[in-house]
Amino acid sequence: SAVISQKPSRDICQRGTSLTIQCQVDSQVTMMFWYRQQPGQSLTLIATANQGSEATYESGFVIDKFPISRPNLTFSTLTVSNMSPEDSSIYLCSVGQVQETQYFGPGTRLLVL
Amino acid sequence: GQNIDQPTEMTATEGAIVQINCTYQTSGFNGLFWYQQHAGEAPTFLSYNVLDGLEEKGRFSSFLSRSKGYSYLLLKELQMKDSASYLCAVNTGGFKTIFGAGTRLFVKA
Repeated sequence: SAVISQKPSRDICQRGTSLTIQCQVDSQVTMMFWYRQQPGQSLTLIATANQGSEATYESGFVIDKFPISRPNLTFSTLTVSNMSPEDSSIYLCSVGQVQETQYFGPGTRLLVL
Repeated sequence: GQNIDQPTEMTATEGAIVQINCTYQTSGFNGLFWYQQHAGEAPTFLSYNVLDGLEEKGRFSSFLSRSKGYSYLLLKELQMKDSASYLCAVNTGGFKTIFGAGTRLFVKA
């Protein structure tokens, strides 16, 4: 399976600011995804990061709040914009492999004060 | 709507067997995943069932009944390191995957 790294691993941010999370994969992958996992809850898909085109967002998530870049097949970024305490969560990137299996990065723990 | 139900918490004893159940109602179904997630870590893939029946992988087995919308994960010879959350997830098409809230398993000595 692919090796996935994320930066930063954690951050504490002030409300109203923005944070960009990076996801790097050690091999070229077609499918990359961004998830959110709020405390004590399961994973919710934010969007599919498409290489060379705009990301595909799930219901309840918009590009202005969560802009995503996917400049190549090994890298993607997720920005959490104009943060509020409700954005405190773990943000995970994942890559799709065979049989629709997903492998997850280590996650970025975000606390917004 | 999309619904995946699994118990919130379970407790079992080291060396024992535990079965974690999952029921689902989704608009599409391609297969069912089980992931393990230790506290503070990312989920890791355990199994993927596409067809009905039991699939065994070492100490872990996963069962699927598509007609009943039901799956279970069976963990044998429990070890302390098996204490984790277990996520049931349904692939509804392509890479679209819906995750359950997870079952927190506590293994006691």
